[in-house]
Amino acid sequence: DADVTQTPRNRITKTGKRIMLECSQTKGHDRMYWYRQDPGLGLRLIYYSFDVKDINKGEISDGYSVSRQAQAKFSLSLESAIPNQTALYFCATSDLTAGQETQYFGPGTRLLVL
Amino acid sequence: AQKVTQAQTEISVVEKEDVTLDCVYETRDTTYYLFWYKQPPSGELVFLIRRNSFDEQNEISGRYSWNFQKSTSSFNFTITASQVVDSAVYFCALSEAVGYYGGSQGNLIFGKGTKLSVKP
Repeated sequence: DADVTQTPRNRITKTGKRIMLECSQTKGHDRMYWYRQDPGLGLRLIYYSFDVKDINKGEISDGYSVSRQAQAKFSLSLESAIPNQTALYFCATSDLTAGQETQYFGPGTRLLVL
Repeated sequence: AQKVTQAQTEISVVEKEDVTLDCVYETRDTTYYLFWYKQPPSGELVFLIRRNSFDEQNEISGRYSWNFQKSTSSFNFTITASQVVDSAVYFCALSEAVGYYGGSQGNLIFGKGTKLSVKP
């Protein structure tokens, strides 16, 4: 089984709809992240959480919200989707061992907003 | 400001050729971490390597090798004897260290990626 799973893997929605992307991990990591990838732009950080009670905005948080329901679950919501939120969304997890960290990514969710 | 530049947008080689992917970074921190990730056509992101700023030793893993040079702020990635399965987008990323223990800040700054096509 994959250590980091994302659901759904693909989603088509309409402008103005609320949508939630979910991420679950079995790695036991405290830290979780949401990124979006746009063609030619690399990945950009949306939100991150270092533990269940800690939520932080990333570079491009406008139009998004998150919920850390448990150590293993971190959800990303688009309250009112717009076409420029069409992208590939990645969840990642990591832990800090001896002051060093590596992020491991889920398989991604392809979102199309019409 | 932190920045990662991958100047090569696309590279095309023929199988068995060696290929080097360039990565240049900018940071004001003295402690930082550098990464390479692979994104094959299937879309997932696969971690390849992490390098700490205080460890300039180059690393080799099979056909992959990494050349870290602080003097030029570069962390280049070489694939020896490339294979079709190496075709992917490769991302270089930077994370700065914060806190008493110099732990990673958690915010990965990615380059825009280099698309490598290896033709048979």
